[in-house]
Amino acid sequence: NAGVMQNPRHLVRRRGQEARLRCSPMKGHSHVYWYRQLPEEGLKFMVYLQKENIIDESGMPKERFSAEFPKEGPSILRIQQVVRGDSAAYFCASSLPKTDVNTEAFFGQGTRLTVV
Amino acid sequence: KQEVTQIPAALSVPEGENLVLNCSFTDSAIYNLQWFRQDPGKGLTSLLLIQSSQREQTSGRLNASLDKSSGRSTLYIAASQPGDSATYLCATPPRTSYGKLTFGQGTILTVHP
Repeated sequence: NAGVMQNPRHLVRRRGQEARLRCSPMKGHSHVYWYRQLPEEGLKFMVYLQKENIIDESGMPKERFSAEFPKEGPSILRIQQVVRGDSAAYFCASSLPKTDVNTEAFFGQGTRLTVV
Repeated sequence: KQEVTQIPAALSVPEGENLVLNCSFTDSAIYNLQWFRQDPGKGLTSLLLIQSSQREQTSGRLNASLDKSSGRSTLYIAASQPGDSATYLCATPPRTSYGKLTFGQGTILTVHP
């Protein structure tokens, strides 16, 4: 059972371009969470998705950022018109639906976005 | 709103020392508490997860304790080694959304040979 897979691992974009970050959850996991780690800062929750639904987007910037988790395929975090301040590591985590007290979220290796 | 604080921010010790990393949280209505390790430029490695009903968890030279009433968790590392050098993060989700973790800022640990 492969872990949470994120790609690409490294992404370089020029200011104004779009960045698409992909996350394939662990097999059987239907819940996905995205986090952002800005340089010299801690990890911050961005958005929580279930298949075809956004459950909690309280950590998402109001503009340029969007996320989806379609019925088929990976979850996508999309950043439009990137700026230098978007440079960060973006982590994805996935989990099963809560079925027992031992449910936990598993993290991917992250995508490091650099905006030049 | 949950706030997680880790003390110290950085720690430098000689090899072989036993050490304690501290984590405190403001809201005791947690689902679990998890300790992670992060190497520079790398992802997160889960070290230990303590369920809210548990008091401690052990894995090898690592022992993590949880005291919900005081809002504290400690990570104890025995006989530290240079390979333990990394940033250690604690994080906790609420009972209502167990994948929505609030992270501390981390403790940067350096173990000298």
